Amino acid sequence: GENVGLHLPTLSVQEGDNSIINCAYSNSASDYFIWYKQESGKGPQFIIDIRSNMDKRQGQRVTVLLNKTVKHLSLQIAATQPGDSAVYFCAEASTGGFKTIFGAGTRLFVKA
Amino acid sequence: DAGITQSPRHKVTETGTPVTLRCHQTENHRYMYWYRQDPGHGLRLIHYSYGVKDTDKGEVSDGYSVSRSKTEDFLLTLESATSSQTSVYFCAITEGQGGYEQYFGPGTRLTVT
Repeated sequence: GENVGLHLPTLSVQEGDNSIINCAYSNSASDYFIWYKQESGKGPQFIIDIRSNMDKRQGQRVTVLLNKTVKHLSLQIAATQPGDSAVYFCAEASTGGFKTIFGAGTRLFVKA
Repeated sequence: DAGITQSPRHKVTETGTPVTLRCHQTENHRYMYWYRQDPGHGLRLIHYSYGVKDTDKGEVSDGYSVSRSKTEDFLLTLESATSSQTSVYFCAITEGQGGYEQYFGPGTRLTVT
């Protein structure tokens, strides 16, 4: 897609399998974490968020896990579908701040 | 889509010319942001606004200025476009103070030749 990097980490999964996308965040003071999905030619779209006082949060077919000890975030997508093909970004923010730091993204390919 | 539109959607301009990109929102959100997106860099904040006439710089503000004379419009100006400003520009809003999830417009693809 026109909006995404040419050399992004890529994850290729079979339709129906589960996907796990990982992210390392940088700021120990961040207390709010978000996952976004970006389809080709579109702006990023909010998927799910988690606060630092939690280690797991579930949405519809998605689960976010937070490990503050190693500053690691993951997004799990259950029963991956072709419509899940996109670039996924993690982002971090701090309470009271205006600035969100975005990761470089991971491209997910879903094979039919 | 949080009622966010961006114009133009595509623009080609020459080095040294001024360019203004417009972000328009219909839902009276207070907080608005301009990002640029480049391969390998993710989204980087250029400027943001926390109210009419209230703006501040982000991490990559050099060569850019912004204005917000009314709630619904947030303008990004490249005062003298350079080839390094070729990018895709996204506007975003957050819904209210303390809301961290951002809602993005469709983007403007700018090419500076």
